[in-house]
Amino acid sequence: AQSVTQPDIHITVSEGASLELRCNYSYGATPYLFWYVQSPGQGLQLLLKYFSGDTLVQGIKGFEAEFKRSQSSFNLRKPSVHWSDAAEYFCAVAATSGTYKYIFGTGTRLKVLA
Amino acid sequence: DSGVTQTPKHLITATGQRVTLRCSPRSGDLSVYWYQQSLDQGLQFLIQYYNGEERAKGNILERFSAQQFPDLHSELNLSSLELGDSALYFCASSVATGGSGSYEQYFGPGTRLTVT
Repeated sequence: AQSVTQPDIHITVSEGASLELRCNYSYGATPYLFWYVQSPGQGLQLLLKYFSGDTLVQGIKGFEAEFKRSQSSFNLRKPSVHWSDAAEYFCAVAATSGTYKYIFGTGTRLKVLA
Repeated sequence: DSGVTQTPKHLITATGQRVTLRCSPRSGDLSVYWYQQSLDQGLQFLIQYYNGEERAKGNILERFSAQQFPDLHSELNLSSLELGDSALYFCASSVATGGSGSYEQYFGPGTRLTVT
């Protein structure tokens, strides 16, 4: 069965430090992968997506993610975190068999220290 | 702004009651998805409609039902509400007509349901 694991429930970084949020997926075929961000009291905003091709994908707000098939991972990175990046981040994989529903990870809550 | 609208933003109701959540997809999107976000279950897929027809079902309780109307807006009906139904309910939409663009979902701001 498809699944997504985000091993880190909480991460705290200092403003200006680099960030890496981990995501591992379980899926039989080539996955379609996504990272979304949810600010407090807000909906989900798409940061970036991977469908195929270049394994390093660029997203909005300076985020990037790298797809590594051998490790079944799709980790999100940012070289320098801003205080406004404090939010919850969700990794998701899209089903490709007849429906396009998402399976989400449990989320990683990011705290940024000034 | 994703282009997906949901009403109401907040809903407070009592146990045993019935509520209806409404979603209007982005212009041109044929598919609507409903997700529930709760502290203990995380983000869970409930149900998907495509052009008025049910396409897929997830962890949706029998007390819950949904439909998509000819103008493509969708409603999620929750009945015999229990305390555990308190959650944030998201609607998302996508083109879903085939091709990689079908997989990109745009989420509404959500409806926060509190059952007391």
